[in-house]
Amino acid sequence: DTAVSQTPKYLVTQMGNDKSIKCEQNLGHDTMYWYKQDSKKFLKIMFSYNNKELIINETVPNRFSPKSPDKAHLNLHINSLELGDSAVYFCASSQSPEIYGYTFGSGTRLTVV
Amino acid sequence: KNEVEQSPQNLTAQEGEFITINCSYSVGISALHWLQQHPGGGIVSLFMLSSGKKKHGRLIATINIQEKHSSLHITASHPRDSAVYICAVAGGTSYGKLTFGQGTILTVHP
Repeated sequence: DTAVSQTPKYLVTQMGNDKSIKCEQNLGHDTMYWYKQDSKKFLKIMFSYNNKELIINETVPNRFSPKSPDKAHLNLHINSLELGDSAVYFCASSQSPEIYGYTFGSGTRLTVV
Repeated sequence: KNEVEQSPQNLTAQEGEFITINCSYSVGISALHWLQQHPGGGIVSLFMLSSGKKKHGRLIATINIQEKHSSLHITASHPRDSAVYICAVAGGTSYGKLTFGQGTILTVHP
C-alpha cells in the first residue's frame, strides 16, 4: 500500500483550463503539504493543512486553491492554468515532524501547453 | 541569498569514490533533513538530524549546529547513487514548514 499517493502522475493540459491534483495518505498523519518543484529542481512549500485546517499559505496565486475534505486527503485545484504553472507538484504528510519527519508522494508532473 | 545553500550544485564521480555534499543554513532550525530524488522519481527521506551524526549503510550525515552546517557523505559510491540530493531545514514551529536547498545533482559513472 502506497503511504502517500498522488493522482494523476502526469497531467498535460492547455492554458486557461482548470485542473485538480489529488493526494491521499494512509498513515494517519495530521498534517499534509503541497510543494512545487520548478524546472531547476528547486522545491518550495505552497500550502499546509493540519487536521483539515489551513496553517501555511505561502505567496501563491489565488488561482491555486487547496481543499482538505478530511485529514487523509489534500487536493490542489488550479484555475486558469498558465505556462508558468508547469512543474512537478509533491504532496507530503507528517505527524510530529520533529520526531518522525515527512513522507512524500511520488509527484505529479504538470505540463501546460 | 537562499536561507539554505548547498554545494556543489553538480557533482560527478567515479564508482567507488567518497562523496561529500555540503549544506549551510542561516536560520534557526529544529531539524535538518537530507532527501534523495532519482530522475523522474519521488522524494525519499534519507536522514533527519538535530545534532551529531547518523549512518545508514554507505550514507553518513553530520550536523554542526553552532556552525549551521551539515554534510552528507557517501562511501564507496555506486552508479545507483546517481540522484538529486536535497537539504531541507525545518523551523521551530510544530507544523514543520520545510525550506529547501537548491539540490545537488550527483552522477556516478561506472
